[in-house]
Amino acid sequence: SAVISQKPSRDICQRGTSLTIQCQVDSQVTMMFWYRQQPGQSLTLIATANQGSEATYESGFVIDKFPISRPNLTFSTLTVSNMSPEDSSIYLCSVEGAGGSYGYTFGSGTRLTVV
Amino acid sequence: EDKVVQSPLSLVVHEGDTVTLNCSYEVTNFRSLLWYKQEKKAPTFLFMLTSSGIEKKSGRLSSILDKKELFSILNITATQTGDSAVYLCAVEAWTSYGKLTFGQGTILTVHP
Repeated sequence: SAVISQKPSRDICQRGTSLTIQCQVDSQVTMMFWYRQQPGQSLTLIATANQGSEATYESGFVIDKFPISRPNLTFSTLTVSNMSPEDSSIYLCSVEGAGGSYGYTFGSGTRLTVV
Repeated sequence: EDKVVQSPLSLVVHEGDTVTLNCSYEVTNFRSLLWYKQEKKAPTFLFMLTSSGIEKKSGRLSSILDKKELFSILNITATQTGDSAVYLCAVEAWTSYGKLTFGQGTILTVHP
């Protein structure tokens, strides 16, 4: 299945600033998915990123807060903008596994703490 | 709206015990149910169950899907301390391809 390199692994940021998270996949994929996992909670889909089109955001998530780029079929970024302590979470990117029978593979995750 | 409920929320066992984790779901146009193991940040894929594959096994882990009763179980036999993790269940619908709806997870702790 696909191998995803995600960075940074963790960061501590000041409120009001922005952080950009990168995911690089070792193969071309049509769709990439971005999830958030708040402390003690399960994963929630933020948006789906397709190459060559605007990302599709889930209810409760907006482009101004979480802009996404997808410049090619192996790379995507998620920016967390104007951060507040409530944005402290683990952020994960995901792609479909090879052949569709291996589920979805996740990146190593970014643990964000906003102070 | 799709919904996934896992039980128990936490479980403490000793090495060698067998555990059963439960996952019930509601989803329109069911495509798949997936099990993941999360130890630190990244969930690790365990199983994917679909209409054409309702039972999976890998070593000490096995899972079945009951599409009629809308639930799945994950069994772990002869547990080891390395099995300590959060186990996540997720469902996917054909109408929202790629969007996984996750349950709250079961925290499994295996003591030596």
